[in-house]
Amino acid sequence: SQQGEEDPQALSIQEGENATMNCSYKTSINNLQWYRQNSGRGLVHLILIRSNEREKHSGRLRVTLDTSKKSSSLLITASRAADTASYFCATEVTGNTGKLIFGQGTTLQVKP
Amino acid sequence: GAVVSQHPSWVICKSGTSVKIECRSLDFQATTMFWYRQFPKQSLMLMATSNEGSKATYEQGVEKDKFLINHASLTLSTLTVTSAHPEDSSFYICSAPSLGGGETQYFGPGTRLLVL
Repeated sequence: SQQGEEDPQALSIQEGENATMNCSYKTSINNLQWYRQNSGRGLVHLILIRSNEREKHSGRLRVTLDTSKKSSSLLITASRAADTASYFCATEVTGNTGKLIFGQGTTLQVKP
Repeated sequence: GAVVSQHPSWVICKSGTSVKIECRSLDFQATTMFWYRQFPKQSLMLMATSNEGSKATYEQGVEKDKFLINHASLTLSTLTVTSAHPEDSSFYICSAPSLGGGETQYFGPGTRLLVL
């Protein structure tokens, strides 16, 4: 069953703008991960944030986690046309090591 | 970094035939692997957990007799879609956690199945 909901479902921005995607989940988690998927391709792991962490950075990516609200956000700064893809959050549910439950995903289009 | 491969990358078959998809961990051992299915414009849905040396664990709503999983070695899990039908057409993706059950998951590139 799906754990998470993401919003927005679709996002269209101009190159150089920031993109923010949100993810909500329902159960206790070990960690939350963000993945990127180009159309028809495999997944690319972007960043992992543990349940005891509140914020994490990696290059142009910033992820926050609020376990009290069971939500996370992914911020991509200074977006590029090459960032156009679908982005998914996935939670590793407590007690189920390795098993990931994916959110519905956000489709991001960055216009040049 | 660790690599997971899948074979074939795509397959077209006739309705009623069975299709086997392989998932291999190329440079690490995986006692557990996971199989996901992704329909067009949708998210990944976990189908089952493949366990080396024991039976797979299926998620609710996934027919174990239709989706046969075999984890014969520490580097190979196979998913066989038996008597495939057009509604089984999908993108099948496997993953394997890093050795020791670590947080890092390595995903295969996926197998696209089209059943005519």
